[in-house]
Amino acid sequence: QGHLVESGGGVFQPGGSLRLFCEASGFTFSSYGMNWVRQAPGKGLEWVSFIGYDGNIKFYADSLKGRFIVSRDNSRNTLYLQMNSLRPEDTGIYYCAKDPTEYGSRGWWFDPWGEGTLVTVSS
Amino acid sequence: SYELTQPPSVSVSPGQTATITCSGNNLGRKYASWYQQRPGQSPVLVIYRDDRRPSGIPERFSGSNSGDTATLTISGTQAVDEGDYYCQSWDSDTGVFGGGTKLTVL
Repeated sequence: QGHLVESGGGVFQPGGSLRLFCEASGFTFSSYGMNWVRQAPGKGLEWVSFIGYDGNIKFYADSLKGRFIVSRDNSRNTLYLQMNSLRPEDTGIYYCAKDPTEYGSRGWWFDPWGEGTLVTVSS
Repeated sequence: SYELTQPPSVSVSPGQTATITCSGNNLGRKYASWYQQRPGQSPVLVIYRDDRRPSGIPERFSGSNSGDTATLTISGTQAVDEGDYYCQSWDSDTGVFGGGTKLTVL
C-alpha cells in the first residue's frame, strides 16, 4: 500500500514562497499518480493538485489561480508542491495521497495519505 | 464548479445504523469514495468506487451511488466510528470533496 511522509511546513510571510516535500516508500512510486490535499484549521478537505506517474499530466484546483506548482522526482521517490504568492488562507495541513491506478492519467481516489505538514501564513 | 453536499452532522445510538448522504449533479454517473477522519488524524479511505471496501475496513461499512446521491452506511455503529466523514469524486479533471459530516455516536 505504501507510506508517505510530508515535510517542509512552517511559518511563512504573506507574499512569500515555500516548497513542500512528500517522500514515498513501500510501493513503486514512478508507477502511480499523486495528489496534494489541504485542510484549513477546523475546516474540511480541499483537493489541491494531481500529477501523473511520469509528471507529464498535472491538474490544479481552480482556486489556486496558478500560484502552486506540483512536480515529482521519481529517482528520489519524492513529490513536491511549490507554493508562491502565499496568502493567509493558504494556512492549513497539507497532505499527499497516492492515486490507486498504475500508469493512470487521471485521479480516482486517495489511498494512503501521509500524516501531513502544517503551513502557517502569517505576518 | 462541481459541488458535493453533505449534512453537517449525523447522530446515532451504538448498535444502530448510521446513514450519511452526499449529493451532487448526476453523481451516480461518477465514482464516489468516502473517507473517515478521526480528530488529529489523517483521513482514511473506507469506501472506493461507490461500494468497495479496502482491506482492513470492517464489513459494517458499505456504500451505494445512484442518481444524484451517494450514501455511506455504517451498520451496528460503534463508538470507534465517531469522526468526520467526507465524500469525494472527480469532475473535469478536478478533485472534489463534500463539506464533511460529523458522526456522533451517542
